[in-house]
Amino acid sequence: DAGVTQSPTHLIKTRGQQVTLRCSPKSGHDTVSWYQQALGQGPQFIFQYYEEEERQRGNFPDRFSGHQFPNYSSELNVNALLLGDSALYLCASSYGTGATDTQYFGPGTRLTVL
Amino acid sequence: KQEVTQIPAALSVPEGENLVLNCSFTDSAIYNLQWFRQDPGKGLTSLLLIQSSQREQTSGRLNASLDKSSGRSTLYIAASQPGDSATYLCAVSHGQNFVFGPGTRLSVLP
Repeated sequence: DAGVTQSPTHLIKTRGQQVTLRCSPKSGHDTVSWYQQALGQGPQFIFQYYEEEERQRGNFPDRFSGHQFPNYSSELNVNALLLGDSALYLCASSYGTGATDTQYFGPGTRLTVL
Repeated sequence: KQEVTQIPAALSVPEGENLVLNCSFTDSAIYNLQWFRQDPGKGLTSLLLIQSSQREQTSGRLNASLDKSSGRSTLYIAASQPGDSATYLCAVSHGQNFVFGPGTRLSVLP
């Protein structure tokens, strides 16, 4: 059973560019959450997708947007990249949006903005 | 706004020692608390999940406790091994997302 997968593994962009990160949830899961983890810090919640809709959003600007497809996979898009967007981007999946559900995390995508 | 802190920020111990990592949170109205392990540059591995109605969970050499009223959780690691070296993160859930602490970086020396 494949766990949560993310692509690409690493990405280098320059300021002002746009980037798309991808996530496939664990088999049987229908909910995808995205987190940003800056170096030396804990992950911060960006947003969560369920039934192809954004259900909850953290304190991130509109430059961060997402999408969920009918097969439950998800994309995170970041526009007008800033140096401060350099981070490890983690995707987590779960079944439903229940508060007691365990989230399973992918290996992350390391984004470097030059 | 929920805030999660972890003490200590870093810890170095000789192999074989028992150790305790601490996690504190400001809002006790949580649904659950989860401890994760993160190896350098990698994703998160779930270690233990404690529901709000539970007091503790155990898995092998790991034991996690939860005291909601005081806003505290501890992760106890018995007989530490060099392979336990990693960053340990606690996270609390209010519903649809986790709020993470900054982590404790653990080094177990052979």
